[in-house]
Amino acid sequence: EAGVAQSPRYKIIEKRQSVAFWCNPISGHATLYWYQQILGQGPKLLIQFQNNGVVDDSQLPKDRFSAERLKGVDSTLKIQPAKLEDSAVYLCASSLVGVIYNEQFFGPGTRLTVL
Amino acid sequence: QKEVEQNSGPLSVPEGAIASLNCTYSDRGSQSFFWYRQYSGKSPELIMFIYSNGDKEDGRFTAQLNKASQYVSLLIRDSQPSDSATYLCAADNYGQNFVFGPGTRLSVLP
Repeated sequence: EAGVAQSPRYKIIEKRQSVAFWCNPISGHATLYWYQQILGQGPKLLIQFQNNGVVDDSQLPKDRFSAERLKGVDSTLKIQPAKLEDSAVYLCASSLVGVIYNEQFFGPGTRLTVL
Repeated sequence: QKEVEQNSGPLSVPEGAIASLNCTYSDRGSQSFFWYRQYSGKSPELIMFIYSNGDKEDGRFTAQLNKASQYVSLLIRDSQPSDSATYLCAADNYGQNFVFGPGTRLSVLP
């Protein structure tokens, strides 16, 4: 079974530029999550999709971050414009529907550096 | 905002000892709890989950849950240098998603 795929693995941009990350979840996983993990901290949920609908985006900085999951499969997270504090690893995860007993599987992450 | 707290460490234990990692959570409504291991530069991977009060054992790992005290722990028996990593505790948020703690860095000394 293929795991969660993410690209790019690394990205370096200057502040005020824009950047996009791509995620392809495990086949059959209806739920997709985007997390931001700043060095030394735990992952923080940015947005959660179930199929192509948004379940939770309460911690997404909507003035600069956007995400979509067209067709309920792969997803794109965009930052525009980027700030220095956006430097972090962006993790994508997927799971079957529901979290109580269902494991989240994480992708390798995209390490973003904003200069 | 729901919170999950962990001692950031580092927690250092000698090889072969028992490592004890602790986690507290703020929301009494949380029902399930997950322990993830994250090696430096890698993504988190699930070790175990627990949802009933008491102990749950899986190999060298034992998860303990005390809902009255809002406390979760992970014991690692016969610690190995390969167990050196950051351990993340997560609690479910209304059964919808997870809130992660900051993680505890464990170092197992040969």
